[in-house]
Amino acid sequence: EAGVTQFPSHSVIEKGQTVTLRCDPISGHDNLYWYRRVMGKEIKFLLHFVKESKQDESGMPNNRFLAERTGGTYSTLKVQPAELEDSGVYFCASSQAGTDQPQHFGDGTRLSIL
Amino acid sequence: QKEVEQNSGPLSVPEGAIASLNCTYSDRGSQSFFWYRQYSGKSPELIMSIYSNGDKEDGRFTAQLNKASQYVSLLIRDSQPSDSATYLCAVRNTGFQKLVFGTGTRLLVSP
Repeated sequence: EAGVTQFPSHSVIEKGQTVTLRCDPISGHDNLYWYRRVMGKEIKFLLHFVKESKQDESGMPNNRFLAERTGGTYSTLKVQPAELEDSGVYFCASSQAGTDQPQHFGDGTRLSIL
Repeated sequence: QKEVEQNSGPLSVPEGAIASLNCTYSDRGSQSFFWYRQYSGKSPELIMSIYSNGDKEDGRFTAQLNKASQYVSLLIRDSQPSDSATYLCAVRNTGFQKLVFGTGTRLLVSP
């Protein structure tokens, strides 16, 4: 079984540009999560999809971040325009339907804003 | 006060010893507790979950939970150099699916 896959593994862009991160969850997993780790800090929750619906987006930092999960399969996270403080590692995780299901993480996308 | 606190380490133990990793949390409504292992540049990998007070053993790993003290720990017996990694404590609170992480403890096991 393929794990959670994230693209790209690393992205370097200039301040003000747009970047789109992609996450392919484990096949059949209804729950999809985005997290972020900025340097020196803990991994922090951004948002949670159940299928194509946003269940919890309380962690989204501002309206420069837009997450979508059309069709309830893969998800994208767009940052527009990117700011210096957006640099960090963005993780995607997925889990099966139901509560208390373990979350499986991807390797993350390392985003560097210059 | 952070919601989940861990000593950043590094925690250094010799091969074959027991490594003890600790985590405290602030929300008494927390119901689920997880330990993830993360190698540099790789994904966090779930190694233990615990939901009720007491001990839970899985191979060389034992998770311990004390909700009254708001404390969860991970013991690694017969530590191996391959156990050298960052160990992340994560908590899930009642009514939410999101995980709240600590900053992680770096473990170094020397041969």
